[in-house]
Amino acid sequence: AQTVTQSQPEMSVQEAETVTLSCTYDTSESDYYLFWYKQPPSRQMILVIRQEAYKQQNATENRFSVNFQKAAKSFSLKISDSQLGDAAMYFCAYSRFGNEKLTFGTGTRLTIIP
Amino acid sequence: DAGVIQSPRHEVTEMGQEVTLRCKPISGHDYLFWYRQTMMRGLELLIYFNNNVPIDDSGMPEDRFSAKMPNASFSTLKIQPSEPRDSAVYFCASTPKRSTDTQYFGPGTRLTVL
Repeated sequence: AQTVTQSQPEMSVQEAETVTLSCTYDTSESDYYLFWYKQPPSRQMILVIRQEAYKQQNATENRFSVNFQKAAKSFSLKISDSQLGDAAMYFCAYSRFGNEKLTFGTGTRLTIIP
Repeated sequence: DAGVIQSPRHEVTEMGQEVTLRCKPISGHDYLFWYRQTMMRGLELLIYFNNNVPIDDSGMPEDRFSAKMPNASFSTLKIQPSEPRDSAVYFCASTPKRSTDTQYFGPGTRLTVL
């Protein structure tokens, strides 16, 4: 069974600084999808970024980028120029296909220090 | 386009009562997922449908839980009888038909069983 591990329950960063959230996963598949979702206090689950395992290039979305290390089964999220609105729980997730179930990590609570 | 719609947003009920949660997926999406979020177990899949047919219900906790999708624009998750341990946030998500697509989440229903 696939598992997703987030080893950092909490992280904090100064506003405008850069922070990296860690995620590792376990799967026997060679093709799959990885995601980072953000959950602010409103509890809405918001997609931040996604990565297809067959793509070697790391995904980027504005201030958000990932470091995808397939051999190491590592998928970290880097947030540059942190803003107060980035404060939230961040969940790493895995799915075999986009239309199959998501397996989530336990989440990292990110605090932004003004 | 409207996103995934869930109702009610909050539900408080007493143990033993029947609870029905409702979801309207994004129009044109073929897949619908029900997830549950608790402090103890995190985010986990309960069941998902493809074209109104249940595909994987292995996450449904027990016979007290049932889910239906009578048409492409409506799904229900029913708990009968409810128990305090069912207290959680229940999310509905939908995605189009392609295996490369991403799941889009509704705002969730916070259920409290007293």
